Amino acid sequence: DGGITQSPKYLFRKEGQNVTLSCEQNLNHDAMYWYRQDPGQGLRLIYYSQIVNDFQKGDIAEGYSVSREKKESFPLTVTSAQKNPTAFYLCASSIPGAFDYGYTFGSGTRLTVV
Amino acid sequence: GQSLEQPSEVTAVEGAIVQINCTYQTSGFYGLSWYQQHDGGAPTFLSYNGLDGLEETGRFSSFLSRSDSYGYLLLQELQMKDSASYFCAVRVGRDDKIIFGKGTRLHILP
Repeated sequence: DGGITQSPKYLFRKEGQNVTLSCEQNLNHDAMYWYRQDPGQGLRLIYYSQIVNDFQKGDIAEGYSVSREKKESFPLTVTSAQKNPTAFYLCASSIPGAFDYGYTFGSGTRLTVV
Repeated sequence: GQSLEQPSEVTAVEGAIVQINCTYQTSGFYGLSWYQQHDGGAPTFLSYNGLDGLEETGRFSSFLSRSDSYGYLLLQELQMKDSASYFCAVRVGRDDKIIFGKGTRLHILP
């Protein structure tokens, strides 16, 4: 079955560490996205990519970095510059222009700073 | 700035009908979507309105009025499994990027 796989499901980070969240899709979607979800805040866009080797900042990109070397993969690195990284991180993908089909989301990674 | 306003919580009775409203003020508008998210789970896509009017998909319907910057999600014949958070989302540009509202938590009473 096609879908989006995020790993790990839970991640614990020490202060000052960089961590990378994995997102892999086998839906053959060109566009991929990273959102952060905090309680009561809805989903906020971190980065998105419409095509391989290209990506754009979202509304809260500071302290995060991404790469898009393969169509299937869009990893997110949470750097030590991100002051409050504890949150639920969601990866999504879509077919550009296919608005009636919406985004497909992964199951998320819950990151906690310890 | 961009803002999407929706009620934080709504309560309804099993078998009844409920409407969740969304008003938006955004720099651009190309369409309104709705997503459902159960606790701890992934959001799932429900509907998209690119033009004014009503879109119906089974028990769920979504409405858009671009002149009023307003839309709603209508859920009929409520079931306990419909207890979840519902997010409206606006496509603000010609690309596929969307921004989300803060969500409405729907409580269903037996």
